[in-house]
Amino acid sequence: DIQMTQSPSSLSASVGDRVTITCRASQSISSCLNWYQHQPGKAPKLLIYAASTLQSGVPSRFSGSGSGTDFTLTISSLQPEDFATYYCQQTYITSLYTFGQGTKLGIK
Amino acid sequence: EVQVVESGGGLVQPGRSLRLSCTSSGFTFGAYSMNWFRQAPGKGLEWVGFIRSKAYSGTTEYAASVNGRFTISRDDSKSIAYLQMNNLRTEDTAVYYCARENSQLLRFYYYYMDVWGKGTTVTVSS
Repeated sequence: DIQMTQSPSSLSASVGDRVTITCRASQSISSCLNWYQHQPGKAPKLLIYAASTLQSGVPSRFSGSGSGTDFTLTISSLQPEDFATYYCQQTYITSLYTFGQGTKLGIK
Repeated sequence: EVQVVESGGGLVQPGRSLRLSCTSSGFTFGAYSMNWFRQAPGKGLEWVGFIRSKAYSGTTEYAASVNGRFTISRDDSKSIAYLQMNNLRTEDTAVYYCARENSQLLRFYYYYMDVWGKGTTVTVSS
């Protein structure tokens, strides 16, 4: 199985801050990496696919980068609605999708 | 509006069965693979399995943790995907989500889940 490791597991930030979350794969997954936002009681929301392609309707303050084994999600200027848990997901192996453990982004 | 809605969750005893439904609307259901995911209390998201579209033979794949106990099926005429869960265990307690799988050809095909439901809660307890 491909293991996905996110860091940090949690962080606190303020509105307006720039935040970066990293995701590392246990083997190369090319650019087959997605990022999701999940808030309690809501449906998970796709932010980024193919490592760096912004999903339609997602604000441009979200961006993704990386390939191979190392990836980042950046939020350029945190907004109040961005406080949530973020997950990376690999879809390189199409029958064994795996997620990172999640990064909980809280208010400082 | 493009959406999927899960239903069928509830409280069930260990060893019993439960069937979840994922009712879709606003898109051509039969053209898409459909995935099931879950989130156990205090844990992260976990992929459960998926069913391909009929164009790709409608075959299924499952996570090792549910293989042999869970079965995914689909009824394209009703735009519904099902998750049949047999021999349930306490560790299957979770919120279960279904999601549409989409793809885009860039350098090659990239797969991602672009439409999710809000989930249905399954509690396995005696």
